[in-house]
Amino acid sequence: RKEVEQDPGPFNVPEGATVAFNCTYSNSASQSFFWYRQDCRKEPKLLMSVYSSGNEDGRFTAQLNRASQYISLLIRDSKLSDSATYLCVVIPSGNTGKLIFGQGTTLQVKP
Amino acid sequence: DAGVIQSPRHEVTEMGQEVTLRCKPISGHNSLFWYRQTMMRGLELLIYFNNNVPIDDSGMPEDRFSAKMPNASFSTLKIQPSEPRDSAVYFCASSPDSRQTSQETQYFGPGTRLLVL
Repeated sequence: RKEVEQDPGPFNVPEGATVAFNCTYSNSASQSFFWYRQDCRKEPKLLMSVYSSGNEDGRFTAQLNRASQYISLLIRDSKLSDSATYLCVVIPSGNTGKLIFGQGTTLQVKP
Repeated sequence: DAGVIQSPRHEVTEMGQEVTLRCKPISGHNSLFWYRQTMMRGLELLIYFNNNVPIDDSGMPEDRFSAKMPNASFSTLKIQPSEPRDSAVYFCASSPDSRQTSQETQYFGPGTRLLVL
């Protein structure tokens, strides 16, 4: 079983739609969680951290469910510019700074 | 403010040749990471350094791969001899200090696209 699993998609949605991605992780002792965004043929960039209480950044909401070991990302009012691959990232136990990346979920927002 | 710099951006070589990828981390960052990304396997951590010292090289696929960080501003990833299955995008990333939980953000370079024929 992979340490971090995501549905690769693609998710094809119209502009203005709300879309949600989930990600599951296998190590229950994992301590830090992030969403990174990767545009086509570009490098990954941090989108947002995921906090235990859930957090919001504009149209983006991230949530963590430790009991079920999953992380979610909700995008409201999607824009064409949101089209990208969204990577779920986990730091396993131990303060090593080592990031474990999921395969990514591809989002395509259509006009 | 310069980000992570990688060179070359593209490399095409023949099987058996030596390939050297280069990375300059963001000034002041103490941790440096080398990743490989393929369609099949996604983004995989190969090795990372903290204060120029290799901390975890468990992701290095085999002895053909080696990485060095002779100083705080330069690192290399070498493949010798290269094989077609090494074809991938190789990213270098840096972060302020991997051991401070408040600063895990990693900043990626633009990557080197390697094709081994």
